[in-house]
Amino acid sequence: DQQVKQNSPSLSVQEGRISILNCDYTNSMFDYFLWYKKYPAEGPTFLISISSIKDKNEDGRFTVFLNKSAKHLSLHIVPSQPGDSAVYFCAASAPNTNAGKSTFGDGTTLTVKP
Amino acid sequence: NAGVTQTPKFQVLKTGQSMTLQCAQDMNHEYMSWYRQDPGMGLRLIHYSVGAGITDQGEVPNGYNVSRSTTEDFPLRLLSAAPSQTSVYFCASSYGAETSTDTQYFGPGTRLTVL
Repeated sequence: DQQVKQNSPSLSVQEGRISILNCDYTNSMFDYFLWYKKYPAEGPTFLISISSIKDKNEDGRFTVFLNKSAKHLSLHIVPSQPGDSAVYFCAASAPNTNAGKSTFGDGTTLTVKP
Repeated sequence: NAGVTQTPKFQVLKTGQSMTLQCAQDMNHEYMSWYRQDPGMGLRLIHYSVGAGITDQGEVPNGYNVSRSTTEDFPLRLLSAAPSQTSVYFCASSYGAETSTDTQYFGPGTRLTVL
């Protein structure tokens, strides 16, 4: 049973528009959520995170929204830039577990067209 | 500060061969992990270590061994390579705080093909 799901394998948006990447989870014990970004031939890098005590966290062009009742989170990128083209992974952690035991989704490939 | 380094970047093995994927970090992180990523899939945890001398299994440990003799190094051994182990392998490290609010730093990956 996949506990973290990213149902859209790919997303294509025009430069300057908003990109919205979605993530659903099933384990109600998860209390911390992270987004990682991965370019080809590189390892994932941390992008932004949110704790379950918040419903929004913003960092520049990136905002993550958390809806605990729906067990859903989303990553908004505004405005999207061609350099944002990458694979985005959603990850989740439970209390008293290290981030090294995060559960990852399958990723969404974002393509931003100039 | 090199972060997390992995060697080799690419490797081709024949079925039944053994090899070791190297991982090192220079950030004095306590926690290190090995993941594999198959096409169209997320990262699956193979083994992890919470400190020198301590290792444990993750989600997909079969066919792999690990050891952690130093804080810096966390090698992954394939005992008898199988085509099902064809994948991209990522090593990661984190501070090791006993809190979920920690983030991981990943190496660049090793692309392994088993024929």
